[in-house]
Amino acid sequence: DSGVTQTPKHLITATGQRVTLRCSPRSGDLSVYWYQQSLDQGLQFLIQYYNGEERAKGNILERFSAQQFPDLHSELNLSSLELGDSALYFCASSGGDISYEQYFGPGTRLTVT
Amino acid sequence: GQQVMQIPQYQHVQEGEDFTTYCNSSTTLSNIQWYKQRPGGHPVFLIQLVKSGEVKKQKRLTFQFGEAKKNSSLHITATQTTDVGTYFCAGPNTGGFKTIFGAGTRLFVKA
Repeated sequence: DSGVTQTPKHLITATGQRVTLRCSPRSGDLSVYWYQQSLDQGLQFLIQYYNGEERAKGNILERFSAQQFPDLHSELNLSSLELGDSALYFCASSGGDISYEQYFGPGTRLTVT
Repeated sequence: GQQVMQIPQYQHVQEGEDFTTYCNSSTTLSNIQWYKQRPGGHPVFLIQLVKSGEVKKQKRLTFQFGEAKKNSSLHITATQTTDVGTYFCAGPNTGGFKTIFGAGTRLFVKA
């Protein structure tokens, strides 16, 4: 158990819909990272927050947005969903703002039908 | 843009054989991290290397960071079925905040 929690575990929704994925980092960690992993693919970095502020952006679509709240949990919002958005979405946390060791949550499997 | 390349993409070994995966970055890295993802699981942090030429061992796993800090390797001695999974290397981009993952090497171990 990494100490990072993600909800929900599974999500099935239709094209055009909007969903919110939630992540709680390990106790004491200030950074949250979001990644997308499509079937049998690598990890695509989406976005990072550090102590409530956006730190780095990767290949995140404009239809996607994220935020980190004062209690340090983070939410990833995906809107106008397309079939190609079906993937595993992982959240990871680390103590600092620079890219160092990251602890991953169990992921949310999103299926868009 | 900055890239982290990893080879091979797949490796099939007989239990007891050794295994090595290689990671190459297009730019110098301040550190390199290795993760393991079991089938159906999430990536798990294994180790981080920071110094040029650094070598670290964890039981049967040996990690190396190149002298130029642009390449790294993970070597597993005498693989076991529990080693099955995908091994990823990752490093920070030039600014340090974004993490770039290699595509991973998927290891299959036949008993």
